[in-house]
Amino acid sequence: DVKVTQSSRYLVKRTGEKVFLECVQDMDHENMFWYRQDPGLGLRLIYFSYDVKMKEKGDIPEGYSVSREKKERFSLILESASTNQTSMYLCASRGVLSSQPQHFGDGTRLSIL
Amino acid sequence: DAKTTQPPSMDCAEGRAANLPCNHSTISGNEYVYWYRQIHSQGPQYIIHGLKNNETNEMASLIITEDRKSSTLILPHATLRDTAVYYCIVRPSGGGADGLTFGKGTHLIIQP
Repeated sequence: DVKVTQSSRYLVKRTGEKVFLECVQDMDHENMFWYRQDPGLGLRLIYFSYDVKMKEKGDIPEGYSVSREKKERFSLILESASTNQTSMYLCASRGVLSSQPQHFGDGTRLSIL
Repeated sequence: DAKTTQPPSMDCAEGRAANLPCNHSTISGNEYVYWYRQIHSQGPQYIIHGLKNNETNEMASLIITEDRKSSTLILPHATLRDTAVYYCIVRPSGGGADGLTFGKGTHLIIQP
């Protein structure tokens, strides 16, 4: 079974802090994704990566950056956290074919105070 | 992503088969049908996907009509742990933006 592991289930940070969210997958997937999920707004894509050191902006990249130094690990960085970044953050991975399904982690519920 | 229509909620008795419908009348020839579910406060869980043939795995069966304009997800013996929001998505098999978009889904409630 595919396993996507996010480093924290719950996280509380302060405004202005630099925040790192980590995601690791064990299926040797080429593609990895970061989403945020908010009530009434559904799932929104922040960034994705199709290979090591490669990244593409999604629909809402502002205020975020990503890092993919190793194939299995994809990090989301909030450069200077703000209260409107309080959300559920979801990481997903997928194989090389776009018809293959994305597999999600359990999510990180991030609160910015 | 092509639009899908699902009932907002459904009930099913524990131990019975749960049949969740999805309408995707504008589906294109190269678009797959995917089903995910999300239990409260957890990440979405992939269930099954198909192009035009019916599919079965250890979790569920997917029945796609011959004209591909609708499909049904079948959970053969529903348990209380199957209570979740179920999302039906259609996406092309190649190219384009890779982000998934979930609609409102069907809130399936399994009754003891």
